[in-house]
Amino acid sequence: GQQLNQSPQSMFIQEGEDVSMNCTSSSIFNTWLWYKQDPGEGPVLLIALYKAGELTSNGRLTAQFGITRKDSFLNISASIPSDVGIYFCAGYAGNNRKLIWGLGTSLAVNP
Amino acid sequence: SAVISQKPSRDICQRGTSLTIQCQVDSQVTMMFWYRQQPGQSLTLIATANQGSEATYESGFVIDKFPISRPNLTFSTLTVSNMSPEDSSIYLCSSKGAVGTDTQYFGPGTRLTVL
Repeated sequence: GQQLNQSPQSMFIQEGEDVSMNCTSSSIFNTWLWYKQDPGEGPVLLIALYKAGELTSNGRLTAQFGITRKDSFLNISASIPSDVGIYFCAGYAGNNRKLIWGLGTSLAVNP
Repeated sequence: SAVISQKPSRDICQRGTSLTIQCQVDSQVTMMFWYRQQPGQSLTLIATANQGSEATYESGFVIDKFPISRPNLTFSTLTVSNMSPEDSSIYLCSSKGAVGTDTQYFGPGTRLTVL
């Protein structure tokens, strides 16, 4: 099935650094969702985006709905050890009511 | 947001047996979803379960292998039938958020190991 191109696949950073990851698609999306999954847990919704150009923050996290509607970005500022986990982008394209997922970005933070 | 619980949280099963996973949502929801997540992979939708109708299965998943019940607006079960080691995975229950939104919320998952 259709999947989103999510990059980078993994990141290893120092505590305090900023992090940026993105998702791209060849299709136009109507909704972008960003999730974080900790080991042994289900994905937890971080940010939901509904309009092209929309910029939304949740604490140290900021996500943007790309103006072309084919991409989205998630930034984490001043990373801390508890940011460790796998971050997934997901979204709905066109009239498709099935949520399409990226392959995830694995984040490791060195204290 | 919806709060979702799943039982069991994990299980180790023998080949050829079946396991039923329960999913409970803290509010009434129209649509519930069952996903499978292989180790280190993204999520794959198994089926969509609407109350009062048969579940809609995605390509590659069939009712005989993954029967689903949806007896009311807060509960669903997924059965993994005649299990093989290839069924070892995390199974996740999900529901939509508030009416009119496209967000999905997830349970903690059921980690299944088939020997």
